Amino acid sequence: DTEVTQTPKHLVMGMTNKKSLKCEQHMGHRAMYWYKQKAKKPPELMFVYSYEKLSINESVPSRFSPECPNSSLLNLHLHALQPEDSALYLCASSQDWGTGGANGYTFGSGTRLTVV
Amino acid sequence: TQLLEQSPQFLSIQEGENLTVYCNSSSVFSSLQWYRQEPGEGPVLLVTVVTGGEVKKLKRLTFQFGDARKDSSLHITAAQPGDTGLYLCAGAQDSSYKLIFGSGTRLLVRP
Repeated sequence: DTEVTQTPKHLVMGMTNKKSLKCEQHMGHRAMYWYKQKAKKPPELMFVYSYEKLSINESVPSRFSPECPNSSLLNLHLHALQPEDSALYLCASSQDWGTGGANGYTFGSGTRLTVV
Repeated sequence: TQLLEQSPQFLSIQEGENLTVYCNSSSVFSSLQWYRQEPGEGPVLLVTVVTGGEVKKLKRLTFQFGDARKDSSLHITAAQPGDTGLYLCAGAQDSSYKLIFGSGTRLLVRP
């Protein structure tokens, strides 16, 4: 299995809703990432998990809450989002945090989130 | 300030033409990657270059890493409509493991 699977593919939520994005990989990768991508822009790093521990939080607002239940799963819990949070949310993984730059990242197809 | 600048930002060409996309920085990178992203999908890794001056070929695509490891280029020969997409360069630095994405080049190949 060489894929990163993200669910759901599309999500529409109200500003008072609570929802979760899910990401799964079975490649044995020990680093997993959440990126946010606005239209016609490059991906922006949000969080990095290395060996199931949060290594980097890029000053992301607390309405986004990441969770790594085990080495194959990564969740992003959403609460009280704003319309400007509408974007494509991408999950990625690499063999490990230190060598991700040399070995490359595997990205999922993303969740297209719309906040209304 | 964008650490990695790509040019051109947008390119529209006819099928069969050749093109080159550039990725430039004033900073040194330990490695540089190229991704292609299609609408509604995540980026797909095309290549990783790690050695200054390195050239890698992937069918009609030729990737080069600058001697000083500050820049890279992607050359496509005889472009096809299937090459259409957003091309992203991304660099990793020794001082930080974070992958820094370039500003992106949107390519449209017209049949």
